[in-house]
Amino acid sequence: ETGVTQSPTHLIKTRGQQVTLRCSSQSGHNTVSWYQQALGQGPQFIFQYYREEENGRGNFPPRFSGLQFPNYSSELNVNALELDDSALYLCASSSLKASSYGYTFGSGTRLTVV
Amino acid sequence: KNEVEQSPQNLTAQEGEFITINCSYSVGISALHWLQQHPGGGIVSLFMLSSGKKKHGRLIATINIQEKHSSLHITASHPRDSAVYICAVRNYGGSQGNLIFGKGTKLSVKP
Repeated sequence: ETGVTQSPTHLIKTRGQQVTLRCSSQSGHNTVSWYQQALGQGPQFIFQYYREEENGRGNFPPRFSGLQFPNYSSELNVNALELDDSALYLCASSSLKASSYGYTFGSGTRLTVV
Repeated sequence: KNEVEQSPQNLTAQEGEFITINCSYSVGISALHWLQQHPGGGIVSLFMLSSGKKKHGRLIATINIQEKHSSLHITASHPRDSAVYICAVRNYGGSQGNLIFGKGTKLSVKP
């Protein structure tokens, strides 16, 4: 299977709720990174998972957490949602092989917090 | 000041024109990426550079490490090239996914 799939594509949640976003990994890739893109801005790095462990994190609070599964797919969980969490959430898979640092991005999940 | 700056922010061109988008960065990097984002939000990776120049079809990307500058060129532009083009750098020593993104250049190519 090629490509990265994210689900759901759109989501509306209420402030204070919790949300789980999902991301598949491209075949042959073992690393998944998550990004938050606010309207009109470039994406911001949330964290990265490799071999089911977080191995890099951006400037996001602990209520942003994640998981990676043995098949390299991943989840992003956000607790206690705030209005400012409304954004497009992108994931990208990649391989840590030195010869290949290319990324494959998903189409994103657009989260609206009301 | 952002660590990755792109110019111009918006660009309108006529079909067939040669287009240049610029990216300057202020941190030490191990790689620079050019990405294309369509209105639906999905991102396509165009190039990853650590030195020199790469070409793929009508797209050319160059990087000057000493000047901390990269350019993306589109030859013979076409309306289907209309998208947001984003420059992103991987900070030297950072984890692989820890990219610093520019705000993007919105390109519109008119027929």
